[in-house]
Amino acid sequence: DAKTTQPPSMDCAEGRAANLPCNHSTISGNEYVYWYRQIHSQGPQYIIHGLKNNETNEMASLIITEDRKSSTLILPHATLRDTAVYYCIVRVLEGNKLVFGAGTILRVKS
Amino acid sequence: GAVVSQHPSRVICKSGTSVKIECRSLDFQATTMFWYRQFPKQSLMLMATSNEGSKATYEQGVEKDKFLINHASLTLSTLTVTSAHPEDSSFYICSASEQGVGYGYTFGSGTRLTVV
Repeated sequence: DAKTTQPPSMDCAEGRAANLPCNHSTISGNEYVYWYRQIHSQGPQYIIHGLKNNETNEMASLIITEDRKSSTLILPHATLRDTAVYYCIVRVLEGNKLVFGAGTILRVKS
Repeated sequence: GAVVSQHPSRVICKSGTSVKIECRSLDFQATTMFWYRQFPKQSLMLMATSNEGSKATYEQGVEKDKFLINHASLTLSTLTVTSAHPEDSSFYICSASEQGVGYGYTFGSGTRLTVV
């Protein structure tokens, strides 16, 4: 079973920051948090991942709380092309598997 | 960056026949690949872990005799749906990871299987 909880959907205005929350209260000390997104009928696209520290790359920033029980993915300037399903995933240590939850449908509106 | 190629992208087959889907890591070696299935408006469901040179590990409820997985090399895993039925129609997606802790997992573009 997925170890994450996300809101089912969110709206964001084009050009504004999109902040997508994720709860993972049962995460253990050395389990990574991954974020992917999926546009209709395509394979998931890697966004970012982290363990304890906040991370930033060209796509997004990942903010992980100090207790590691939740995280937030930040898309700094959302565009219409960022409309997708966003998945927050805790990598299962046994088998190093990614078990997907339901994800958040992000709709970026002009 | 890492690229995973999946083939075919779409396939239509008759009920009772078998279909093979290939997943290749193009610019890295992957000792482990993963196979997922996704029904319309649902999330990805992990089916099995494909291990190079050994038997695949199937998730609970996935029939290993129906979904045959072969991982003969460090860059190729195949999923064969045997004796396909209409309820096997789905979007099948593979993923692979470069060896080492902390690497991302790259996904293929998926295969849309329709059984008629």
